[in-house]
Order: sequence, then C-alpha cells, then structure tokens
Amino acid sequence: EAQVTQNPRYLITVTGKKLTVTCSQNMNHEYMSWYRQDPGLGLRQIYYSMNVEVTDKGDVPEGYKVSRKEKRNFPLILESPSPNQTSLYFCASSRQGLYEQYFGPGTRLTVT
Amino acid sequence: AQKITQTQPGMFVQEKEAVTLDCTYDTSDQSYGLFWYKQPSSGEMIFLIYQGSYDEQNATEGRYSLNFQKARKSANLVISASQLGDSAMYFCAMRRIDTGGFKTIFGAGTRLFVKA
Repeated sequence: EAQVTQNPRYLITVTGKKLTVTCSQNMNHEYMSWYRQDPGLGLRQIYYSMNVEVTDKGDVPEGYKVSRKEKRNFPLILESPSPNQTSLYFCASSRQGLYEQYFGPGTRLTVT
Repeated sequence: AQKITQTQPGMFVQEKEAVTLDCTYDTSDQSYGLFWYKQPSSGEMIFLIYQGSYDEQNATEGRYSLNFQKARKSANLVISASQLGDSAMYFCAMRRIDTGGFKTIFGAGTRLFVKA
C-alpha cells in the first residue's frame, strides 16, 4: 500500500529537549516536505526536499532542521523545542512537478 | 507576495444540495497548480482535485469540480449532491516553482457542515 508514515503520532515534551519526528514514504517520490498546521492559519511549509541531499527552507523554517540522506526518509528535527512549536505536523511527498502531495497521518506535538 | 485566501471560515449546506467553497489566489507566476484537500475530523489530508494554470477546461473528479477563473484568480470548489461524509475542513492550495524548488502555500481553510 502506497503511504507516508510518521512517528510518533503524539508527543508531549518539555522546552529545550531535542526531538526528531520521522517521516518515510514508499512511493519512490523525489519530493518531500514538512508542514505545520495551526488553527486559523492553515498549513505552512517548514522545509522541503527536491531529492537526496537537496533541501530548502519553506515559509516558517526557524527552529527546525531537516536532512535527506535517503530518498524514502525525511526526518524533522527540533533541537531546542519551544512552546510556540506546539502544533500539528504533517509530512508529505509527491513526484517532481505540479502534482498532488500525499500526506502522512500527522504528529501532534505539545511543548510545555 | 504569493497568497491564498479562503473567505468562508464555516459553511452549512443541506444534504443533497450543491455547495461552492471560495478560493482566491495571488501570484505573478505564469505556471502554477491549484489543489483542494479535504481534512475530515480524523485529521488526515485527502487530495480532491487539481487545476493547472494552463488548463483551459475546468477540472472535474466525480462530485467535485473546480471553477477556475484565471483572470479573476479564483479557483472555487463545487461539491454537487452533498453527503453527510462531506462534513470536513477544506483547504485550497497553490504549488509553484520557486528558486529552490516547488513551494506550496495553503489557505486558512473552510469548515463545511452538511445537514441531514
């Protein structure tokens, strides 16, 4: 089954404790991206990757890091989480071009 | 600046009736794609329909159609014969080519309530 998986699905952590949210896709997509969803703001793009070792900033990259060492994986790293990073996070993948994205199930993160 | 505007935070529609969800966008690009996604209460994001900026005909996918008016920069979603399962949040999105690759921006969303 074609899918994008994210782990963990739910995470409660404290300010400053480094965390990683994993994302993996099995569709051989070149393009992967991370979004955060906040009420009234829709989804905002954090980082995206056009292919292995190629990443770039989206609209809200501050406080986040990513890496793309393998085509199927695109982890999101919060090195020093803060309460304003409490949000619902989605990973997505697609083919290169103006194609639809396939989304993971989301990770609800709470930073206290 | 690139922007997507969805002016209807919430809408009600009677079951079996048609409903239009508004979306306007702002871009100076010539090539871009417009998308609608559905987010049910369970939280997942589901792709519904796509319209390319060079497509002359409006996109249709089953009960979904996209009313694309390029000169007015609008890409409204029309859902025909609404069903109770259509109750969800709907997001309009635009994907475009930026210097580093493909960027996507989303509107704030419209929450649709279908009444029995």
